[in-house]
Amino acid sequence: AQTVTQSQPEMSVQEAETVTLSCTYDTSENNYYLFWYKQPPSRQMILVIRQEAYKQQNATENRFSVNFQKAAKSFSLKISDSQLGDTAMYFCAFLNQAGTALIFGKGTTLSVSS
Amino acid sequence: DTGVSQDPRHKITKRGQNVTFRCDPISEHNRLYWYRQTLGQGPEFLTYFQNEAQLEKSRLLSDRFSAERPKGSFSTLEIQRTEQGDSAMYLCASSTWTGLGALYTFGSGTRLTVV
Repeated sequence: AQTVTQSQPEMSVQEAETVTLSCTYDTSENNYYLFWYKQPPSRQMILVIRQEAYKQQNATENRFSVNFQKAAKSFSLKISDSQLGDTAMYFCAFLNQAGTALIFGKGTTLSVSS
Repeated sequence: DTGVSQDPRHKITKRGQNVTFRCDPISEHNRLYWYRQTLGQGPEFLTYFQNEAQLEKSRLLSDRFSAERPKGSFSTLEIQRTEQGDSAMYLCASSTWTGLGALYTFGSGTRLTVV
């Protein structure tokens, strides 16, 4: 069974700074998908960024980028130029190739302060 | 399309009562998922449908839980004889496959409080 581990329950950062959230996962599959989701307080889950395991190039979406290390089964999220609106819980998630269901980590609560 | 809708947003019920939640997915999405999320934790997979067929159920889905998706459109999740441990946010999501894998859209959830 696949598992996703987020070892940082809470992180804090000042506006305009850069922060990196960690995620490791365990799977025996070779092809799969990885995601970072953002869940603001009392609001719905939204997709931040996604990565296909067969792609070596790290995904980027504006201020968000990932460091995907397939051999190490590591998938960290870097947020550059942090903004107050980035305050949220961030979840790392794994999806197998069959797309059965997303498996989530326990999340990291990120607080951005001015 | 306005996304994935869930109803009700909040539900308070007494222990032992039955409750039913509804999810309306994005109409073009043939897959629908139910997750449970407790405070400060990540969502836990409960079950998923492809069209009207329920293809997988988690061990978390005890006999008191039942989900349906008649005609492959909206879905309902019923919890019978609720217990305090059932208190959680119940999230629904639907998905479609793109060239980059499944694209999930989540609803805002139904927050259940069992008193």
